[in-house]
Amino acid sequence: DAGVIQSPRHEVTEMGQEVTLRCKPISGHDYLFWYRQTMMRGLELLIYFNNNVPIDDSGMPEDRFSAKMPNASFSTLKIQPSEPRDSAVYFCASSLSLTGISYNSPLHFGNGTRLTVT
Amino acid sequence: DQQVKQNSPSLSVQEGRISILNCDYTNSMFDYFLWYKKYPAEGPTFLISISSIKDKNEDGRFTVFLNKSAKHLSLHIVPSQPGDSAVYFCAASGPTSGSRLTFGEGTQLTVNP
Repeated sequence: DAGVIQSPRHEVTEMGQEVTLRCKPISGHDYLFWYRQTMMRGLELLIYFNNNVPIDDSGMPEDRFSAKMPNASFSTLKIQPSEPRDSAVYFCASSLSLTGISYNSPLHFGNGTRLTVT
Repeated sequence: DQQVKQNSPSLSVQEGRISILNCDYTNSMFDYFLWYKKYPAEGPTFLISISSIKDKNEDGRFTVFLNKSAKHLSLHIVPSQPGDSAVYFCAASGPTSGSRLTFGEGTQLTVNP
């Protein structure tokens, strides 16, 4: 099991450019989550999917952010146009259950994408 | 509104001593609490959890204590080891949060040899 795979690991872009972050969840996991880590707010949930369907996107900060999950093995988080305040580490996570709170089904995180917008 | 707060951004302890990481929450409907551990350049990994029907859960060197009246939980690591140096995130879940996990800001623990 390769775990949750995210790409790229690092992304440096200029303000106004489009940024696309990618995620491959663990095979068989029904839930996929996108989180953003900042010093001030810790890990914030942006959006989550169940069986490829977006369920709750209330954490998406602005219309500049969008996420898709075209199939069970791939998801993208897009920022267009990007701004310096979007600089953060973005994590994708997957789990068998909604909360990932079961010991047998915790949230599995990828290694994150560090985004820097200059 | 930060419903889960970790007020200490960092903590430094000596190897072999006890590490105590604290977490406060405001939502009284939270009924499940977890701790995640994060090393640099890696994603967080699940460490230990506790249900609101308990006040203590122990797993080896790690113990989580829950004080529901104070809306406070803590993670004790005894004895602390240099390999425990990481960022620790507290998280909570409950029916009013749609059963989604709400995370705190994290505490950087440094265990000095």
